[in-house]
Amino acid sequence: SAVISQKPSRDICQRGTSLTIQCQVDSQVTMMFWYRQQPGQSLTLIATANQGSEATYESGFVIDKFPISRPNLTFSTLTVSNMSPEDSSIYLCSVVGEMNYGYTFGSGTRLTVV
Amino acid sequence: GDSVTQMEGPVTLSEEAFLTINCTYTATGYPSLFWYVQYPGEGLQLLLKATKADDKGSNKGFEATYRKETTSFHLEKGSVQVSDSAVYFCALISNTGGFKTIFGAGTRLFVKA
Repeated sequence: SAVISQKPSRDICQRGTSLTIQCQVDSQVTMMFWYRQQPGQSLTLIATANQGSEATYESGFVIDKFPISRPNLTFSTLTVSNMSPEDSSIYLCSVVGEMNYGYTFGSGTRLTVV
Repeated sequence: GDSVTQMEGPVTLSEEAFLTINCTYTATGYPSLFWYVQYPGEGLQLLLKATKADDKGSNKGFEATYRKETTSFHLEKGSVQVSDSAVYFCALISNTGGFKTIFGAGTRLFVKA
């Protein structure tokens, strides 16, 4: 399965600022996904990052708040913009090879907004 | 829409006890089913999977059987260890919903020595 490197692993940010999270995969993958895991909660899909086109956002998430780049088949970034304490979460990128093989996840970025 | 329901935690067990974490699902079509584990401070790891009815997924002593008649995928382990303390997520990928994974709420397991 693919190996994902995600960084930063954690950060503490001031409200009103932005943070860009990077996700690097060791092989070319078609689909990359960004999830948010709020404290003590399950995972919520933010968007699907598509190479060569705009990301597809889930209900409740918008591009202005969570812009995503996908310049090639091995790399993606997620930016959390104009942060507030409510954005404090773990953000995870993931990839899937085929439906039957499940997802591989990055180790996550633990974001605290103060 | 598709959904996954798993038993609420936390579950607290003594070492060597038997573990069951219940998971049921609702989905159109024939989903693939997964269990993921999240150890403290880490991301998610795929624990096991089953892709069709009556399949049994197994890994590290954990097992789960895809039961279509009861739409269930319960996680079991015969003898838990302290190192199994983690959060366990049941999940599905529906073949009618692209590759989106639907996760359950997670069940936290504490194993005490």
